[in-house]
Amino acid sequence: DTAVSQTPKYLVTQMGNDKSIKCEQNLGHDTMYWYKQDSKKFLKIMFSYNNKELIINETVPNRFSPKSPDKAHLNLHINSLELGDSAVYFCASSQVRAPGNEQFFGPGTRLTVL
Amino acid sequence: GENVEQHPSTLSVQEGDSAVIKCTYSDSASNYFPWYKQELGKRPQLIIDIRSNVGEKKDQRIAVTLNKTAKHFSLHITETQPEDSAVYFCAASNYWGNDMRFGAGTRLTVKP
Repeated sequence: DTAVSQTPKYLVTQMGNDKSIKCEQNLGHDTMYWYKQDSKKFLKIMFSYNNKELIINETVPNRFSPKSPDKAHLNLHINSLELGDSAVYFCASSQVRAPGNEQFFGPGTRLTVL
Repeated sequence: GENVEQHPSTLSVQEGDSAVIKCTYSDSASNYFPWYKQELGKRPQLIIDIRSNVGEKKDQRIAVTLNKTAKHFSLHITETQPEDSAVYFCAASNYWGNDMRFGAGTRLTVKP
């Protein structure tokens, strides 16, 4: 019973396509996140959602749009994919109602844009 | 916004030696400082964390120290083992931990 799960694990697509990555957590957490890890392993926050409301939106191109149908899911839609979007995308979740907030990461989705 | 710098970028030690990784942060409002370990092809996982009201925390072979005045914190691993080989990330965040900024990572190699 995986705490944070993502699908797909691998995604290979052509430039210009639109794709989605799904994320689900079964920990009952109230906040979910998307991170991008580039080829140099740098881990950068993209979005943070608390109770279905966007609370952080870093300087991410508007081709990226998070969608949260409920507290347990935060999907990432990417339009008009570009070569520079190739990276590993991690979903994470945490409980922020109280301090001591470990973020639990999903297994990652390796996106390759050709 | 918060900026976290991490050094060194790579670290190689002999099994049994100690390893130290250092981070500095820029935002004095940061309050929560976790360390994550990422093995090759795996997800980052929390190994230890510290809050700004604590100067040091230890968990078996790993310890973290925090100097809030100087805005730096460090990870110490003693008696290193080959399975400690991984990329280690420090991070700094607000009190609630929902605005986490990561350092660039340190690739630790422990030679048997």
